[in-house]
Amino acid sequence: DIQMTQSPSSVSASVGDRVTITCRASQGISSWLAWYQQKPGKAPNLLIYAASSLQSGVPSRFSGSGSGTDFTLTISSLQPEDFATYYCQQANSLPPTFGGGTKVEIK
Amino acid sequence: QVQLQESGPGLVKPSETLSLTCTVSGASISSYFWNWIRQPAGKGLEWIGRTYTSGITNYNPSLKSRLTMSVDTSKNQFSLKLNSVTAADTAVYYCAGETGGHGAIFDSWGQGTLVTVSS
Repeated sequence: DIQMTQSPSSVSASVGDRVTITCRASQGISSWLAWYQQKPGKAPNLLIYAASSLQSGVPSRFSGSGSGTDFTLTISSLQPEDFATYYCQQANSLPPTFGGGTKVEIK
Repeated sequence: QVQLQESGPGLVKPSETLSLTCTVSGASISSYFWNWIRQPAGKGLEWIGRTYTSGITNYNPSLKSRLTMSVDTSKNQFSLKLNSVTAADTAVYYCAGETGGHGAIFDSWGQGTLVTVSS
């Protein structure tokens, strides 16, 4: 299985801050990467697919980049509704695997 | 808009079989891969497996020996059976669809259902 490692595991930030989350794959996955946002008690919500493509309806302050083994999710200006846990997921090969998550908390 | 809804018992006894169903609306169940994903309390996400209408299934190797998934096109539903459950199988179980055409990316999700394994 491909291992996905996210960092940091948590980050404290203020409204308006720029936040960057990184995800590293244990082997090359080209651009087969997605990012999800999950709020407490809710299902994950797809934000980014193919490493950098914004899912329909997702605000443009979210962006993704990277290819191969190293990827980033950036929130350009953190909004109150963005406080949540974020997961990366590789879709290069079965089984799909997720990173351990990054919790974005209010500073 | 694709909507998914899980249903099934919330409590299962150890060594018995966990059975869940996901009802799909807003999409043809014959056109996509349909997945099960679980999340133990306070932990991350684990892909369980997926099924397609033609009978194609892909299972997580860590669970493969205990899993059965299938699709019922007449009801627009797909199902999960996990046998010989233990407390380690206690989790919120989500059904999810690969409806965006981007490979194994989950762009539609059910709300999740908590399954507790306990006597």
